[in-house]
Amino acid sequence: DAGITQSPRHKVTETGTPVTLRCHQTENHRYMYWYRQDPGHGLRLIHYSYGVKDTDKGEVSDGYSVSRSKTEDFLLTLESATSSQTSVYFCATTGTETYEQYFGPGTRLTVT
Amino acid sequence: DAKTTQPPSMDCAEGRAANLPCNHSTISGNEYVYWYRQIHSQGPQYIIHGLKNNETNEMASLIITEDRKSSTLILPHATLRDTAVYYCIVWTTDSWGKFQFGAGTQVVVTP
Repeated sequence: DAGITQSPRHKVTETGTPVTLRCHQTENHRYMYWYRQDPGHGLRLIHYSYGVKDTDKGEVSDGYSVSRSKTEDFLLTLESATSSQTSVYFCATTGTETYEQYFGPGTRLTVT
Repeated sequence: DAKTTQPPSMDCAEGRAANLPCNHSTISGNEYVYWYRQIHSQGPQYIIHGLKNNETNEMASLIITEDRKSSTLILPHATLRDTAVYYCIVWTTDSWGKFQFGAGTQVVVTP
C-alpha cells in the first residue's frame, strides 16, 4: 500500500465552522484526489490535484476548496460546514506507472 | 465517458470461485478496465486492470471479452475476507480526475 495517511480520522463539528482535512503521502505521487462517500451515492470526486498548486474540480466541489503547496500534502477545506457535508472522506493518489489509485483510511466527519 | 453496469449483489460459497460480471458496452479503444474492492468502512483497494488481454495477479484474474464490451473478475478461491463491494471502472489517461465509481457489486462469501 502507498503510504497515505489522513488526519483527523474522526471529527465532529458544528454547522458554520471551518474544517480542514489533511492527506499526506510518502510515495511522491503526482496526482491526488479527495472523494466523499455517502450511503446510496458511492464514491464521488470532490477535487483533484495534478501537481503542486495545480488543482481542479470534481463532480461535487461546491462548498469545498483544496490546496496543495507540497507534493506530499493535499488539504481539503470546508469553509463553513453544513450538515449535508456529513460524510466519510477518502484521499487517494495515483501511481504514474500503472495508474492504479491508492486510498487512505478515510476521515469520518459529522456536522451537527 | 463509458459507464459500467454490475449486478447489485451476489453470494459465493467459501472456497469456490467467484465470478463477477461487468458490462461496459460503450467502452472506447483507449479505456482500461479497472477493478477495486472496498471492505466495510475501509478505503477502496486496487485489484487488477487490463486493456484487451486477460490478466492475472495474486489476487484475481480479469477476463475481457474480445469485443471489450464486458469483463469478468474471477476470485479463484473465495474466502470470508473477500466479502466486500467490488467496483468495475473504465478509465483512460485522457480522463484524469474522472475515475468514476459506480454502485458496485456487494459480494458476500458464506461459510
